[in-house]
Amino acid sequence: QSVLTQPPSMSGAPGQRVTISCTGSSSNIGAGYDVHWYQQLPGTAPKLLIYRNTNRPSGVPDRFSGSKSVTSASLAITGLQPEDEADYYCQSYDGSQSGSVFGGGTKLTVL
Amino acid sequence: QVQLQQWGAGLLKPSETLSLTCIVSGGSFSGYYWNWIRQSPGKGLEWIGEINHSGSTNYNPSLKNRVTISLDTTKNHFSLKLTSMNGADAAVYYCARGRDWGSSPRDFDNWGQGTLVSVSS
Repeated sequence: QSVLTQPPSMSGAPGQRVTISCTGSSSNIGAGYDVHWYQQLPGTAPKLLIYRNTNRPSGVPDRFSGSKSVTSASLAITGLQPEDEADYYCQSYDGSQSGSVFGGGTKLTVL
Repeated sequence: QVQLQQWGAGLLKPSETLSLTCIVSGGSFSGYYWNWIRQSPGKGLEWIGEINHSGSTNYNPSLKNRVTISLDTTKNHFSLKLTSMNGADAAVYYCARGRDWGSSPRDFDNWGQGTLVSVSS
């Protein structure tokens, strides 16, 4: 059971918009800690996709965007493309666990 | 561009100690935290611990009694030791660079290629 909760799977057709949620609690996101997002293609290491809620590293397309509210965060992907098919993970800090915590991951399928 | 390349034994027997090393090239140790993260099919990504350039460490409380992370800046590498390995520790182990954002959680902007670790008698 992951500290941060994500939907296990989502799907969308090419060109569509999908939003992946990451729900936390008062000891992590709700405590004000930022959220980061990662994309993991099959057989590869995770890649940083969004950092500090809304920021994209150099080279990440602006089709990817992040947002954060009180106890949750979201990753939005617009103009879905076949190469976006991957697992997506959120990450934050948890004060009760005194360290970084991850969501369980969301497997995105592009139909 | 910083690169992390990890190596170590991938097949262990129960009760043995896992030893992995991550070599850092193309960047400095200073100003970053150097992490180990593992990924198992049943538990997803799990942060194991970190070390900074001064040797200060933080560990996941659930693993704290069994884990040691060390750093050798002269050889540009950091290492993980996890004792008393059992089946629940089987996973892909990654090293990763963590950026220090002060009061904000660290993110992991560079990762090693991963090492598949199995535990079997």
